[in-house]
Amino acid sequence: SQQGEEDPQALSIQEGENATMNCSYKTSINNLQWYRQNSGRGLVHLILIRSNEREKHSGRLRVTLDTSKKSSSLLITASRAADTASYFCATDERHNFNKFYFGSGTKLNVKP
Amino acid sequence: KAGVTQTPRYLIKTRGQQVTLSCSPISGHRSVSWYQQTPGQGLQFLFEYFSETQRNKGNFPGRFSGRQFSNSRSEMNVSTLELGDSALYLCASSLSSGVGNEQFFGPGTRLTVL
Repeated sequence: SQQGEEDPQALSIQEGENATMNCSYKTSINNLQWYRQNSGRGLVHLILIRSNEREKHSGRLRVTLDTSKKSSSLLITASRAADTASYFCATDERHNFNKFYFGSGTKLNVKP
Repeated sequence: KAGVTQTPRYLIKTRGQQVTLSCSPISGHRSVSWYQQTPGQGLQFLFEYFSETQRNKGNFPGRFSGRQFSNSRSEMNVSTLELGDSALYLCASSLSSGVGNEQFFGPGTRLTVL
């Protein structure tokens, strides 16, 4: 199956530090999306990166994609307590682009 | 622009009953997808609708079904509820059914089966 895996499963840092989360997947994709979820609520869309892109920025977020390694990373710079949440990557499949597979997520705790 | 809305937000049912959940996508969005989230299995894709047609389906039993109306609103139905159906059900909408469309999620419906 395509289901991605996030790494680490949990991450605890101090406010102001950077947080890096990784996502690996198994088959060719069209795009990869990152989401944030607070305490079992709805998912908030953070960023989408296409398979022909290598890096993308949005505010304090930086996403990289390495299709040769089938992996992506999400960097949150200068983290804040409000960034405390679970982060998920979602991938589609090359020939099935509206069916998304989610990893198990990284639980980020930012201590004030 | 209003976001994706889901009703009801919370639901308690007993085994054997059936349930219908509703999702209203962002205005102008024509694709609606449904996901089930449980602590054990994580987020799993149920199905996707576009222009009232089911285009993709996940690996769930036939007890799980859905439909989409001409105004893009969607419903999903679970019949003969089992304890394991207790989960957060999330709906997501996107502009169309093409590649590279961002999916935007609603707040979810938390279903508890007793």
